[in-house]
Amino acid sequence: QLQLQESGPGLVKPSETLSLTCTVSGGSISSDNYYWGWIRLPPGKGLEWIGSIYYRGSTYYNPSLKSRVTLFVDSSKNQFSLKLSSVTAADTAVYYCARHNWNYGYYYGMDVWGQGTTVIVSS
Amino acid sequence: EIVLTQSPGTLSLSPGERATFSCRASQSVSSSYLAWYQQKPGQAPRLLIYGASSRATGIPDRFSGSGSGTDFTLTISRLEPEDFAVYYCQQYGSSMYTFGQGTKLEIK
Repeated sequence: QLQLQESGPGLVKPSETLSLTCTVSGGSISSDNYYWGWIRLPPGKGLEWIGSIYYRGSTYYNPSLKSRVTLFVDSSKNQFSLKLSSVTAADTAVYYCARHNWNYGYYYGMDVWGQGTTVIVSS
Repeated sequence: EIVLTQSPGTLSLSPGERATFSCRASQSVSSSYLAWYQQKPGQAPRLLIYGASSRATGIPDRFSGSGSGTDFTLTISRLEPEDFAVYYCQQYGSSMYTFGQGTKLEIK
């Protein structure tokens, strides 16, 4: 069964770069049918999509975060990663990685999620 | 950017009752690209519905989705105690995903 696991520092200082990695197990990241993405849940707020990546490297970013976000994939390690630069307290959130299920152009939803990791931005 | 507005913000109901969640889009959304999720405190979101009306694997048939264009609905026909959670709609369009702000379903 496919599983996703987020990893990275739980505390980041303001103005620094937040770096998280999602490790995929029980299946390959290199599939034509899936995109892989990051979503966050700030305290007291709703879900916010950050960005998504295909195993061949094409990326899509939330326009509101695009200037600060970079996603990349390492197929040899079955991992994809998020970098968010110049963080502020507003970036404090639970960060989730998730599989986006696409098949022949039909969207089957974000069907597998990691458990989430809490990132606090504070000095 | 398509904005999804969910209503009500909070829904207070009792087990056994019927729950109806609304999701309205700022412009037309393809039904193929509309999904619903359930999230409980401390847990990751769980996919309920994709393609506006198709249940995801393992989702009980008391959950149903409907709608088209700019108006979509999630219905829980008869609430079970484990259904009390936050519900989000989500759409894909123009190479981006957006979520509604969520509806909290609480026990009355």
